[in-house]
Amino acid sequence: GAGVSQTPSNKVTEKGKYVELRCDPISGHTALYWYRQSLGQGPEFLIYFQGTGAADDSGLPNDRFFAVRPEGSVSTLKIQRTERGDSAVYLCASSSPLGSGANVLTFGAGSRLTVL
Amino acid sequence: QKEVEQDPGPLSVPEGAIVSLNCTYSNSAFQYFMWYRQYSRKGPELLMYTYSSGNKEDGRFTAQVDKSSKYISLFIRDSQPSDSATYLCAMRSGGSYIPTFGRGTSLIVHP
Repeated sequence: GAGVSQTPSNKVTEKGKYVELRCDPISGHTALYWYRQSLGQGPEFLIYFQGTGAADDSGLPNDRFFAVRPEGSVSTLKIQRTERGDSAVYLCASSSPLGSGANVLTFGAGSRLTVL
Repeated sequence: QKEVEQDPGPLSVPEGAIVSLNCTYSNSAFQYFMWYRQYSRKGPELLMYTYSSGNKEDGRFTAQVDKSSKYISLFIRDSQPSDSATYLCAMRSGGSYIPTFGRGTSLIVHP
């Protein structure tokens, strides 16, 4: 596609429920990132994929958070047993293959998660 | 202390003003410096990136990096109401592909 697509754009759920957020990166981009942005804050790194594998998942806050990218394209961020503190905008970004320049990230519009 | 510090503002200026936005950082390994603009309820979009120290100009925008002071700036000339947004600085080291972001500065340009 022309840009990074994220679905759903908005998700309201109840505390304790399971949530999946989807990211469709720019075609041909091998690197994919998930960030979380709370109100009034900058994006906070969660996980980075290079191809199908998670190259760095050091930003995942705990084991309730998990992400996959089984075919090296679409990625899903999964949150189990959601808590009110998980409420934030979850941003996905992709970048062109390594070695092709400054590795600039292109972001999607985000998925706004509200946990009641 | 965070690795990247950025004043959240808001910064309110009249149309046509020169705007100066800044970030400081603590990690001397940072080599790539970026500025993103984020409109309300949108994802960040890249404005400029700079490698190492020096200046870079693109239209009304100028990015400056002073690695000796660990200080970066974005200048906007002839600011327009459409420039009203949150400006995020981001940076990464040469050995990492993961940018670290500042918290963003909210800019309001009033007609």
